[in-house]
Amino acid sequence: AQRVTQPEKLLSVFKGAPVELKCNYSYSGSPELFWYVQYSRQRLQLLLRHISRESIKGFTADLNKGETSFHLKKPFAQEEDSAIYYCALRDPYSGAGSYQLTFGKGTKLSVIP
Amino acid sequence: TGVTQSPTHLIKTRGQQVTLSCSPISGHRSVSWYQQTPGQGLQFLFEYFSETQRNKGNFPGRFSGRQFSNSRSEMNVSTLELGDSALYLCVSSSMPGQPYEQYFGPGTRLTVT
Repeated sequence: AQRVTQPEKLLSVFKGAPVELKCNYSYSGSPELFWYVQYSRQRLQLLLRHISRESIKGFTADLNKGETSFHLKKPFAQEEDSAIYYCALRDPYSGAGSYQLTFGKGTKLSVIP
Repeated sequence: TGVTQSPTHLIKTRGQQVTLSCSPISGHRSVSWYQQTPGQGLQFLFEYFSETQRNKGNFPGRFSGRQFSNSRSEMNVSTLELGDSALYLCVSSSMPGQPYEQYFGPGTRLTVT
């Protein structure tokens, strides 16, 4: 069964410092990976998908199949980045158009002013 | 308007049953449900598309759901146990072939006493 591991429950960085939120997965094929974010008192929302290869709010994530990782990075943290970040995996064999996701347990990022 | 869920909160006692409701984004026909707890994180319950259950997570048969022709979805938990206390999240997703969209509801907080 697939699994997503986010080794850090809490991460604190100073404003302007680089941020890296770690995500490792176990899956025997080619999964689809996502990052979700939950800001204080807001709903969980999609941040980015690996297949889009996009940068959202300055965040990027590269899928490393050799290391089975999908770390989220931002060169300069901002106070508004403080939130809980979840890494998630979609099994492409769960069905065409299926959105079944396996989530990591999340990392709470605090950006210190 | 966004994904709506009702009720927002509810308190039940062990052995009772509960029904939760979700209205997806207009035009979305895929609805998924997740259970979120501090210990287990976000866990997939089931997914519906055009009134058909596509996938089901690893939950006992006490957990069931359905989707109506207007894409609204309900989930039911029978014979409630203390461990069913959780935030239940509904996710509304776009159809395959359309631009990828996924929106979370605010959740229903269920407390079982």
